[in-house]
Parts: sequence; structure tokens; C-alpha cells
Amino acid sequence: QSALTQPASVSGSPGQSITISCTGTRSDVESYNLVSWYQQHPGKAPKLMIYEGSKRPSGVSNRFSGSKSGNTASLTISGLQAEDEADYYCCSYSGSGSPYVFGTGTKVTVL
Amino acid sequence: QVQLVESGGGVVQPGRSLRLSCAASGFTFSDYTMHWVRQAPGKGLEWVAAISYDGSSKYYADSVKGRITISRDNSKNTLYLQMNGLRPEDTAVYYCARALRGLISFGDYWGQGTLVTVSS
Repeated sequence: QSALTQPASVSGSPGQSITISCTGTRSDVESYNLVSWYQQHPGKAPKLMIYEGSKRPSGVSNRFSGSKSGNTASLTISGLQAEDEADYYCCSYSGSGSPYVFGTGTKVTVL
Repeated sequence: QVQLVESGGGVVQPGRSLRLSCAASGFTFSDYTMHWVRQAPGKGLEWVAAISYDGSSKYYADSVKGRITISRDNSKNTLYLQMNGLRPEDTAVYYCARALRGLISFGDYWGQGTLVTVSS
């Protein structure tokens, strides 16, 4: 099972919107609407930001939104803030066998 | 409040075994599927294993199949990860995480992680 492909880095200025892509295959992202997104600050545990493609857990800012088209899922952060600077990982369900696969991770920098 | 606390990490020689624990509190542990995720130093997240709420179903990453066993004791509110035949590439911070209730998705709560270092 290969890792999902994410850009290594994305940057934006405060207030701007950025989008992080997560490209998988027909076996994972394309077949299931079960992509999650996690935010991880250095030295901290990951935090769930989006699940089932576009749902936000309680307490997560509505500046974070998720979507999917074909084999690519996306996380959009609008109104970028300094505290959004972190690593972001997607994760997709992929059915039987080894059922979860993470993305390669994206470092978000707020300029 | 929900808490997950991992323990059992440390330095171990290649080929040896180690058992990690994750003590859960603040929720009905026996209602939830639980997961282990690891992160090698300076690297990305890697899903390792999951176990259903009652322990009847277990799932593993291909990279650990046959060497790692996930288990749980609902009477003790504790999740375990038994790791055998450890390799240097198993060096990582190991996190336990809770699944969203009744859902495939996971990670609404995470532990702080426990570091496993495999080195001679």
C-alpha cells in the first residue's frame, strides 16, 4: 500500500486561502468518501480536522473544509492564521487488507 | 474528560520484544474501536493497527503483519501493542487513537505518544 501523495509544502499570507491536495488511487480515495485530515504541530499529537471527506469535528474552525474529486481529496484553509502553521496529513480508508493509508504530509507555512 | 496515556516505550535491541500500553479514561472504552499510529523521527504518520470495540476484529498494516499484535482488555480500559522481532525501522513515536463512535474514521482523541528506539 503506497502512501497518498501530498505536496511537501504550501505557503500563504495571513488572511489568504490555501488548498492542500491528497492524491490516491481507485483503491482508496476514489472508492471511499472516507478521507480524514490531521493537523500536527511540532512535538504534539495529531489533531483531527476533517473526517468523512468534509465533516468537521466539534470545535474545529469552519475555516477548514474538505472536498474530493475523483482520486484527489483536498483540504482548504481559508482566512489563514499564524496558528495554522503546522504539518497536515490526509488519511484514507482503503478497504480490506491494510485498511488505512496516510498521505506523505504537507508543511504549511504562514508568511 | 477523555484521556489516552501510552506507556512501555524505551530502547530495545533488534530482534527483541516490547509491549506498549494505552490507558483510557473519561469514556466508555468498550464502545470504541481503537488504533495505533506511529511516526518515525522526522517522518510522516503511519497507520499500524486497529481493533474493534470487543476485540473480535483486528487489522494490521502490511509492514507489521506477523510481528505485531494488537489487543485490548476492556475490564482494564487498556489497549496493547505487542511488538516482536523489532527492527531499526520500527523506531518511532507510537500513538494510540480513538475511532469516532461507530465510524471508520479515527483520531478524535490521541495519546501523547511513547517513543520506541530499536538499536544495538
